[in-house]
Amino acid sequence: ETGVTQTPRHLVMGMTNKKSLKCEQHLGHNAMYWYKQSAKKPLELMFVYSLEERVENNSVPSRFSPECPNSSHLFLHLHTLQPEDSALYLCASSQVRTLNTEAFFGQGTRLTVV
Amino acid sequence: GNSVTQMEGPVTLSEEAFLTINCTYTATGYPSLFWYVQYPGEGLQLLLKATKADDKGSNKGFEATYRKETTSFHLEKGSVQVSDSAVYFCAFDTGRRALTFGSGTRLQVQP
Repeated sequence: ETGVTQTPRHLVMGMTNKKSLKCEQHLGHNAMYWYKQSAKKPLELMFVYSLEERVENNSVPSRFSPECPNSSHLFLHLHTLQPEDSALYLCASSQVRTLNTEAFFGQGTRLTVV
Repeated sequence: GNSVTQMEGPVTLSEEAFLTINCTYTATGYPSLFWYVQYPGEGLQLLLKATKADDKGSNKGFEATYRKETTSFHLEKGSVQVSDSAVYFCAFDTGRRALTFGSGTRLQVQP
């Protein structure tokens, strides 16, 4: 496989469930990102990992917990979510060297919280 | 702060019409500029980019020119097709190692 792969593509979970989203990149990049895409809102950057270190956390609620065990894998652990957390969650990766940080995106996980 | 402003959609055009989607940005320094496209049910794909003033990015018949004096990066295509129907996102690199995106503009092309 090539590019950025996210699993699952679709997820329905109750507010008391615990689930995890997975992202894997096969591009040899050294930075990975989680974005949240909600209807009629700009893409929201949630977390940034560069060289496996979390370098940015944009005031995301603690019910979202990221994990980056190595430069190729990124997880988003979910627990006690709210209905307003329903959205498309996008993973991206890039090679951090200069300002020209072109990002490659996965197809996203469509999350529905019921 | 840093931000991207895109024209609100949806933009509805007939096939072979001329397309312009406006994008302006507010940023410090000299960011790199990008247009991404999102087809239904998919993630974002890079459409084109420009890394310095007066550069023109182009791909698949789409073009955008980096205008530093007006802080703009408008997307254009001379003749759209039904297959161009998608959501288009303007973005720039703030130097924080993550892109800042606009809210997206939905394009609907009718046959």
